[in-house]
Amino acid sequence: DAGVTQSPTHLIKTRGQQVTLRCSPKSGHDTVSWYQQALGQGPQFIFQYYEEEERQRGNFPDRFSGHQFPNYSSELNVNALLLGDSALYLCASSLVGNPYEQYFGPGTRLTVT
Amino acid sequence: GQSLEQPSEVTAVEGAIVQINCTYQTSGFYGLSWYQQHDGGAPTFLSYNALDGLEETGRFSSFLSRSDSYGYLLLQELQMKDSASYFCAPRDSGYALNFGKGTSLLVTP
Repeated sequence: DAGVTQSPTHLIKTRGQQVTLRCSPKSGHDTVSWYQQALGQGPQFIFQYYEEEERQRGNFPDRFSGHQFPNYSSELNVNALLLGDSALYLCASSLVGNPYEQYFGPGTRLTVT
Repeated sequence: GQSLEQPSEVTAVEGAIVQINCTYQTSGFYGLSWYQQHDGGAPTFLSYNALDGLEETGRFSSFLSRSDSYGYLLLQELQMKDSASYFCAPRDSGYALNFGKGTSLLVTP
């Protein structure tokens, strides 16, 4: 049973560029959430997708956008990258009825130079 | 608003028992989750308390007091592999996990 997978593992981008991160949820899960984790901090909620729609959004600017596909996989897009966007981006999947139990992927380490 | 407090660091000896406290303030409280994260790894779900009392899962137990807005994670028979960061995450009426900065646990020989 495959867990949550994310790609790529690492990414280096230049300030002002755009980036797309990808996530495949754990088998059987229908909900995908994205988190940003800066060094030494806890994960911060970006948004959650269910039934291909953004169900809840955290305190992140509109430069952060996402998408969920019919097979439940998801993408996180970040436009106009800033140096402060450098972080570990974590995808988590869950069942719609159990939002408190989320399964995290290994993350994508994004470095903005 | 929402607030969350955990000790930033805890050190304990292998084989001992350690308690990591969590106090929270959130509107529309539903329950409290606990997650473990090793350095360089992904957060892993440990437990969830929706009701007052103690939940036990192997060497780990989690406690909740809704009236005190307080919970704790109890780790027994500590092992070196328990060295990690531990996060409490109160659940409100939304769907997000609201992590704080977490507690870094160091288990020493």
